[in-house]
Amino acid sequence: QIQLVQSGPELKKPGESVKISCKASGYTFTDYAMHWVKQAPGKGLKWMGWINTYTGKPTYADDFKGRFVFSLEASASTANLQISNLKNEDTATYFCARLEHADYFDYWGQGVMVTVSS
Amino acid sequence: DIQMTQSPASLSASLGETVTIQCQASEDIYSGLAWYQQKPGKSPQLLIYGASSLQDGVPSRFSGSGSGTQYSLKISSMQTEDEGVYFCQQGLKYPLTFGSGTKLEIK
Repeated sequence: QIQLVQSGPELKKPGESVKISCKASGYTFTDYAMHWVKQAPGKGLKWMGWINTYTGKPTYADDFKGRFVFSLEASASTANLQISNLKNEDTATYFCARLEHADYFDYWGQGVMVTVSS
Repeated sequence: DIQMTQSPASLSASLGETVTIQCQASEDIYSGLAWYQQKPGKSPQLLIYGASSLQDGVPSRFSGSGSGTQYSLKISSMQTEDEGVYFCQQGLKYPLTFGSGTKLEIK
């Protein structure tokens, strides 16, 4: 069955970096783009951008340009999100999600809670 | 960017009651709308796509309708397992955008 399995929770200090992973299984990884979605505690969902799993080209939403990097380990069917120079406002759960028919998310990872605190 | 305005922000319903949640887009999204349910500590789960198509495995008491800028999600007979937060999402244009969510509780 199709699964997106993400890495575990992270506790970081401001200014540090974090890299979280999303391993896909049960389908051909390069057939679907991988998207990233942020959810701050008690808040709604915010789309961060996506990576073309065939070419490796990332596209970032305006609020996520600069400190955020999407990457792939295509041989391992894994997409990664790296956040550098962490700030308190980066405290959130980060989801990877597969986009179907170019307009809706049919599978989601379980989410990774990133806590930024001094 | 397309803004998604969702209402109400919260509601409570009795078992068996019919529930309706609304989502308004800031421009015509040509039925490019999905609905998700999220339970505490879990990832969102797809309920409806293309405004009215039921995702496999989703109970038939859930239905979606609408066109243009106005869309709705209906739960025809509220069950305890339907408690959670519901989000709409437009898929017509980037950036993809979500409604602010509706928290649904049992009365």
